[in-house]
Amino acid sequence: GESVGLHLPTLSVQEGDNSIINCAYSNSASDYFIWYKQESGKGPQFIIDIRSNMDKRQGQRVTVLLNKTVKHLSLQIAATQPGDSAVYFCAETPSGTYKYIFGTGTRLKVLA
Amino acid sequence: ETGVTQSPTHLIKTRGQQVTLRCSSQSGHNTVSWYQQALGQGPQFIFQYYREEENGRGNFPPRFSGLQFPNYSSELNVNALELDDSALYLCASSLAAVPPSEQYFGPGTRLTVT
Repeated sequence: GESVGLHLPTLSVQEGDNSIINCAYSNSASDYFIWYKQESGKGPQFIIDIRSNMDKRQGQRVTVLLNKTVKHLSLQIAATQPGDSAVYFCAETPSGTYKYIFGTGTRLKVLA
Repeated sequence: ETGVTQSPTHLIKTRGQQVTLRCSSQSGHNTVSWYQQALGQGPQFIFQYYREEENGRGNFPPRFSGLQFPNYSSELNVNALELDDSALYLCASSLAAVPPSEQYFGPGTRLTVT
């Protein structure tokens, strides 16, 4: 079935370093992608999104890259901070549908 | 905070019982989606309500049902609870039913079935 997967279940980075979280999606018909951050005991929080007609989008300290050729999505976090520690999910939306398909998630641990 | 609220926060039920979970959407949002998140997994889409009508459904059995009210708040009902229904249930509200429309998630209801 449709799925969104992540390469690394846990990522540990030193405070101040850049983080890169990767995601592979399986549905070539997906045209909208989102990254969410989920802290313990909370619902997912929107970080950044990108449409399929774009390759790159930047936000505050975050950048999302989309490679449609290999169906790969990545989230880059600059100058990672302790508050960035959380589980990160990518989600895809097949064109014309109403549902977000989430991956399993990557836990980001920021080391002091 | 997103402005999406859910109640109750935690709930313990016995297998075979029925449960109702509630969600108040963010002001102005007419669409509510429900997700089930098992421990260590990503959220799985249950269904979506748009202007009081079910707008789409994921791979969940009919014992998962819902409602949306004129004020766009929503309920998720689960009948004949099974142990595997233990999960975090999330609702998300948005301005439109079809993406791209950012979904704002509530904090979830933690359901434990014993």
